[in-house]
Amino acid sequence: NAGVTQTPKFRVLKTGQSMTLLCAQDMNHEYMYWYRQDPGMGLRLIHYSVGEGTTAKGEVPDGYNVSRLKKQNFLLGLESAAPSQTSVYFCASSWSLAGVGNIQYFGAGTRLSVL
Amino acid sequence: AQSVAQPEDQVNVAEGNPLTVKCTYSVSGNPYLFWYVQYPNRGLQFLLKYITGDNLVKGSYGFEAEFNKSQTSFHLKKPSALVSDSALYFCAVRDLRSNDYKLSFGAGTTVTVRA
Repeated sequence: NAGVTQTPKFRVLKTGQSMTLLCAQDMNHEYMYWYRQDPGMGLRLIHYSVGEGTTAKGEVPDGYNVSRLKKQNFLLGLESAAPSQTSVYFCASSWSLAGVGNIQYFGAGTRLSVL
Repeated sequence: AQSVAQPEDQVNVAEGNPLTVKCTYSVSGNPYLFWYVQYPNRGLQFLLKYITGDNLVKGSYGFEAEFNKSQTSFHLKKPSALVSDSALYFCAVRDLRSNDYKLSFGAGTTVTVRA
């Protein structure tokens, strides 16, 4: 009964380094999302996917790339990390688009620090 | 454009007292409204949603919320708070006139229930 699993849970990067965050869901959801959470700003959507092989930009996509090669996995990549990308990253999934009233299920988050 | 405001950064109540977390929204059409809760070091969990119908919505853990169209509010309430309700609460909205999928989240309200 895992739901949405994010790895890693914590990471510290130096400016300019790259990394990939992995999100896996076992609920057979079509839709997956990556958010970042910053103090006093709520959650902001980075990228999302409406199905295997598709991705789309959210509110704050710059500096990030994503891939959805398998239905259950959604990867978030940082090609050249910047201190402004220090944040807590959440992955979520849903049966259908969250904006049509469907519930999103969230992972536990990845806390990323870029020095 | 759609937006949501949570006017209180923090709410402090004594255990057993009523708890209210405020949310106001702004949309051009009709709203979908959600409440999520985040416990420390965890992802967001769905509490309840308003799509249409009865203005009083009941959700998980004894929470309820009242949709008030004239005041554009969707306040979260619990008649008798528990220490275990201490968490970060997020309100979210989507404008039904919008052609996109996106939910807009508030900045969050930290609830502390003291024993």
